[in-house]
Amino acid sequence: GQQLNQSPQSMFIQEGEDVSMNCTSSSIFNTWLWYKQDPGEGPVLLIALYKAGELTSNGRLTAQFGITRKDSFLNISASIPSDVGIYFCAGQRSGGSNYKLTFGKGTLLTVNP
Amino acid sequence: KAGVTQTPRYLIKTRGQQVTLSCSPISGHRSVSWYQQTPGQGLQFLFEYFSETQRNKGNFPGRFSGRQFSNSRSEMNVSTLELGDSALYLCASSSSSYNEQFFGPGTRLTVL
Repeated sequence: GQQLNQSPQSMFIQEGEDVSMNCTSSSIFNTWLWYKQDPGEGPVLLIALYKAGELTSNGRLTAQFGITRKDSFLNISASIPSDVGIYFCAGQRSGGSNYKLTFGKGTLLTVNP
Repeated sequence: KAGVTQTPRYLIKTRGQQVTLSCSPISGHRSVSWYQQTPGQGLQFLFEYFSETQRNKGNFPGRFSGRQFSNSRSEMNVSTLELGDSALYLCASSSSSYNEQFFGPGTRLTVL
């Protein structure tokens, strides 16, 4: 099935640093979602984006829905050790009965205290 | 509100057996989607149910099936298990009015 191109694959940063990751697609999506997954758990929704150009924040997290509707990015400011985990982007073409999410491969974030 | 629950959390089966996984969505959510997560393929969509009807289906063989009950709880069945079916199976629920999908903790299936 189609996958989103998510980068980088992994990041190793120092506590306090800012982080940026992004997803791109060859297709247009109506919705972009960002999830975080801890080992042995299901993904937890961080931010949902519904409009092209939309910029949304959730605490230290900020995400944007690209104007072309083919990309999105997630920024984490002032990282802390509990930010460690795998971050996934997901795109959705809503409308009709299609609620399938297409996921990126994930970005593994490691934060060094 | 309670989150999405999945049972069992862990399961070990042998090749050729079949397995049934269960998912209880968030109260009031009528859509339930199932995903398979493996290190190699990532998160892959299996199927989605809404009001007891399968609305969407991913590219998985017919050995993978599901159903949804009138209370929106859903089950997923895999018959004739293969080694490659070892994965984390995730269920997600969503309201009919919104696009956000909320995931359960998953069922870790190991096929020996």
